[in-house]
Amino acid sequence: QLQLQESGPGLVEPSGTLSLGCAVSGGSISDSTWWTWVRQPPGKGLEWIGQIWHSGRTDYNPSLKSRVTISLDRSKNQFSLSLTSVTAADTAVYYCARLSAYNEADQYFYALDVWGQGTPVTVSS
Amino acid sequence: SSDLTQDPAVSVALGQTVTITCQGDSLRPYYADWYQQKPGQAPVLVIYGSDNRPAGIPDRFSGSISGDTASLTITEAQAEDEADYYCYSRDISGDLWVFGGGTQLTVL
Repeated sequence: QLQLQESGPGLVEPSGTLSLGCAVSGGSISDSTWWTWVRQPPGKGLEWIGQIWHSGRTDYNPSLKSRVTISLDRSKNQFSLSLTSVTAADTAVYYCARLSAYNEADQYFYALDVWGQGTPVTVSS
Repeated sequence: SSDLTQDPAVSVALGQTVTITCQGDSLRPYYADWYQQKPGQAPVLVIYGSDNRPAGIPDRFSGSISGDTASLTITEAQAEDEADYYCYSRDISGDLWVFGGGTQLTVL
C-alpha cells in the first residue's frame, strides 16, 4: 500500500526559499502517475500548487508559477517542492498527494487517492 | 479566488439528507472529485469522476453532475460526517487543477 510522507523545515524566513520533500513508500516515483502538492493556509481552504508526471513534465498554479518548482529525485524515491521569495501568505500546511487514474467503462477519471499527513510551514523571522 | 464555487456552510439534522453543490464552467466538459476533511487531518477522497465511490466509502455518499454543477449528497447523515467538503476539477484549460472554496458541514 502506497504511503507518502512530507519532510522539511517548519520555519522559513521571509524572502527565503521553502523546500519540502515527499518520500514515497510502497511504490515507485517512476510509476505512471502524477505527483501533486497542495497547501492549506490556517483556517482556509485547499489550494492546488502543482504536479509532476513520472517523466518529469510539470504543471503549476498560475498564481505561483514564477516561484515554484516541483522535481523528482529517483535516487531517494521522492518528489520535492521549492517555493522562492516566500512571505507570510505562504504560511500553510503543505500536503503531497498522488493523482491516480480510475477506469470506469473505458473512461478515465483522475483523483487524489493517497495523501501525506501534511507538514506545517510558517514563514516568519 | 476559485473557479469552482461552493456554499461556505451547510447544516443537516442527524439522519437527514443533505446536498452540497459545486458550480463552475469547467465542470461542463470535465467532472468533479469530492474530498472530506476533518480537523487536523488530511483530506480523504469520497467521490471521483462525479458519481463514483472509492472502495471503503459508505454508500450514503453519492455524487452527480448536471451542466456546470456537481453535487455531493449524504443520505441519512451521521455525526461523523461533520467535516469540510471540497470539490476538485480541472480548470477550463484542462491542463491545471483547482479546488472549490470548501463547504463546512454541520450535523445537528
